[in-house]
Amino acid sequence: KAGVTQTPRYLIKTRGQQVTLSCSPISGHRSVSWYQQTPGQGLQFLFEYFSETQRNKGNFPGRFSGRQFSNSRSEMNVSTLELGDSALYLCASSVPGTGTDTQYFGPGTRLTVL
Amino acid sequence: TQLLEQSPQFLSIQEGENLTVYCNSSSVFSSLQWYRQEPGEGPVLLVTVVTGGEVKKLKRLTFQFGDARKDSSLHITAAQTGDTGLYLCASGSDEKLTFGTGTRLTIIP
Repeated sequence: KAGVTQTPRYLIKTRGQQVTLSCSPISGHRSVSWYQQTPGQGLQFLFEYFSETQRNKGNFPGRFSGRQFSNSRSEMNVSTLELGDSALYLCASSVPGTGTDTQYFGPGTRLTVL
Repeated sequence: TQLLEQSPQFLSIQEGENLTVYCNSSSVFSSLQWYRQEPGEGPVLLVTVVTGGEVKKLKRLTFQFGDARKDSSLHITAAQTGDTGLYLCASGSDEKLTFGTGTRLTIIP
């Protein structure tokens, strides 16, 4: 079974631009979570989608948004990019309701904001 | 919000040595997971511990969950260069994980 895929793997943007990142979950997984990883703050939860609905949200500004499609694929969008948004963005998929909270992570998208 | 502190932050040892890294919280874990992340990759789940006092072994890795479920440790026996990576503990529910600060482990050949 194919793992979680994320595109693109690397991205360079300038301040003020917006960016869209994509995540394709493992087949059969219906939950997709997004995380931001930086050297200073570590891995932080952004939001989680299940059945096209946002169920959980972390403590990030409204510039960060996401959505999920009917095939469980998910996108996240960051508008008005700031230098501090430079990070590795990870998505993870899981099968909710199994009680194990097991998430499978993709390789991430490395975003650099200049 | 539950805070997970990991120690040490960095650890560099010779191949063949043993090591232990720790994960501590100010509150009780419902369950705890350990992940390893290698450069350019996402974290990979190593183990989930649920019961206080639980000990799980994965080849040369031994995971222990504290009796009070507020701390956990990961012990590696006879470290190998392939053990190099960032070790993260995490806890949470409903697909929302809180991660620890991480221990960056380097095994020197």
